[in-house]
Amino acid sequence: AQSVAQPEDQVNVAEGNPLTVKCTYSVSGNPYLFWYVQYPNRGLQFLLKYITGDNLVKGSYGFEAEFNKSQTSFHLKKPSALVSDSALYFCAVRDDSWGKLQFGAGTQVVVTP
Amino acid sequence: DAGVTQSPTHLIKTRGQQVTLRCSPKSGHDTVSWYQQALGQGPQFIFQYYEEEERQRGNFPDRFSGHQFPNYSSELNVNALLLGDSALYLCASSFSTGSEKLFFGSGTQLSVL
Repeated sequence: AQSVAQPEDQVNVAEGNPLTVKCTYSVSGNPYLFWYVQYPNRGLQFLLKYITGDNLVKGSYGFEAEFNKSQTSFHLKKPSALVSDSALYFCAVRDDSWGKLQFGAGTQVVVTP
Repeated sequence: DAGVTQSPTHLIKTRGQQVTLRCSPKSGHDTVSWYQQALGQGPQFIFQYYEEEERQRGNFPDRFSGHQFPNYSSELNVNALLLGDSALYLCASSFSTGSEKLFFGSGTQLSVL
């Protein structure tokens, strides 16, 4: 079975400071890892994914994520946060190329001016 | 190019009623997945349709059923509604092959009174 943990319900950061949203996962095989963002009353928008290759993945809107196999983590990062980054962020994993995505509970990011 | 479209956007039903939600996938996509997102939680996988058949199913009762049409659009049906079925229902589309990301619609907010 696959699972995802996002240990922080909320992350608060000042605009211009670095942002990190944590995610750890458990999967039986090789992980397919994703980050999505959700704005109020909207669906989920794709940010980035890791399948294979470089452990540092670059995605949309200046976000990046670091895959760490030994720690089974896939933390989302942004060097300099914007107020407009305030949203709900979800980490997700699956153990094959097409099956169901298992989502974490989400982390609310609040960026203050 | 339209993305994933869902209808209706909002719906209010009473316990015991039946509901049908609709989804049109992104142009070119042949696989549709449905997710339930309860308030304050991450999306939970309901099922996935490909080639007009249910290919994978999550831990949802048989009251939840679906259909995929030849044009790849899909319906989610829920019978004998319970208060606990109140949630945002998200449709996601993708290609059937490869490690593709999901494209999500904005969802249908279902309230069961």
